[in-house]
Amino acid sequence: KNEVEQSPQNLTAQEGEFITINCSYSVGISALHWLQQHPGGGIVSLFMLSSGKKKHGRLIATINIQEKHSSLHITASHPRDSAVYICAVRRSGTYKYIFGTGTRLKVLA
Amino acid sequence: EAGVAQSPRYKIIEKRQSVAFWCNPISGHATLYWYQQILGQGPKLLIQFQNNGVVDDSQLPKDRFSAERLKGVDSTLKIQPAKLEDSAVYLCASSPGYVEQFFGPGTRLTVL
Repeated sequence: KNEVEQSPQNLTAQEGEFITINCSYSVGISALHWLQQHPGGGIVSLFMLSSGKKKHGRLIATINIQEKHSSLHITASHPRDSAVYICAVRRSGTYKYIFGTGTRLKVLA
Repeated sequence: EAGVAQSPRYKIIEKRQSVAFWCNPISGHATLYWYQQILGQGPKLLIQFQNNGVVDDSQLPKDRFSAERLKGVDSTLKIQPAKLEDSAVYLCASSPGYVEQFFGPGTRLTVL
């Protein structure tokens, strides 16, 4: 079993829909990152969380440390949101990051 | 602020050939990471440098992969000889410490 699990693996949505991507982890962490990867391969960091909730534009990220779970929400989705979204955690007491396998999102116009 | 630079962006080689990738991190970032991302998977750490010293290379296939970071700035990752299963995107990231990482655009390697 992977230490970081994401769901769903693939997601297709219509433009304007509210989208939720989930991340569960089984190790103690000091931080969780949500990353966005476009088809060219480059990765952009969206959020870094250690507790609570963060919002940036149409993106909202939440984390529940007790339940070892985080969600990434996209409101009013748009085709340009189409990308792979990756959850990564930094294991407590280490510098090591563990990455999920990603959620491939496609938003249709 | 300039981001992490990587070159080349794409490389196609035949198996048993050698290849090298280059990374220039964000100025002042002491920590540099090389990741391998196979299609459909998340990135896997190959090696981590702190300045010019290796912090973690436990997942680096040392029989064929090597990396160096001379003077604690630029870094090169080499594969010699390449195998078919090395086809992947090679990502370089840098960090000012052990916090947020900043990723480069990646090098997509195809081994035929």
